[in-house]
Amino acid sequence: AQTVTQSQPEMSVQEAETVTLSCTYDTSESDYYLFWYKQPPSRQMILVIRQEAYKQQNATENRFSVNFQKAAKSFSLKISDSQLGDAAMYFCAYRSAYTGTASKLTFGTGTRLQVTL
Amino acid sequence: DAGVIQSPRHEVTEMGQEVTLRCKPISGHDYLFWYRQTMMRGLELLIYFNNNVPIDDSGMPEDRFSAKMPNASFSTLKIQPSEPRDSAVYFCASSLRDEDTQYFGPGTRLTVL
Repeated sequence: AQTVTQSQPEMSVQEAETVTLSCTYDTSESDYYLFWYKQPPSRQMILVIRQEAYKQQNATENRFSVNFQKAAKSFSLKISDSQLGDAAMYFCAYRSAYTGTASKLTFGTGTRLQVTL
Repeated sequence: DAGVIQSPRHEVTEMGQEVTLRCKPISGHDYLFWYRQTMMRGLELLIYFNNNVPIDDSGMPEDRFSAKMPNASFSTLKIQPSEPRDSAVYFCASSLRDEDTQYFGPGTRLTVL
């Protein structure tokens, strides 16, 4: 079974600074997807970024980028120019790419990000 | 696009009562997922449907939980009878295809007294 580990329960960053959230995962599969979801106080789960394991290039979405290290099974999220609206719980998630075997998302325990002035 | 719609947003009920949570997936999405979020267990998949057919219900905690998808635009998750340990946030999500990103609804916060 796949597992996702987020070792940082809480992080803090000053506005306009950069912060990196860590995520590691364990899998025996070679093809999969990785995601970062954001959950603000409204509790809505919002997709931040997605990475396909077969792609070597790291995904980016505006101020959000990932550092995907497949051999190390590491998938960190970098938030640049942090804004107050980035304050939220961030979840790393894994999903198998093998159709029919596991369409479910396996989530980490989350990292709560505080953004200070 | 309206996104995934869930109702109610909040539900407070007494132990032993029947609870029904509702979900409308994004139009055209073939997959629908029900997740539960608790402090103790985090986010966990309960059940998912493909083209209205339940594919994997191994995450459903016990027989008190049931889910249906009578058509492509509507699903329900029912708990009967409810217990205090069922208190959680229940999310519905949908995706276009199996490999696609899952988009979540706003969740239903259930409190069972």
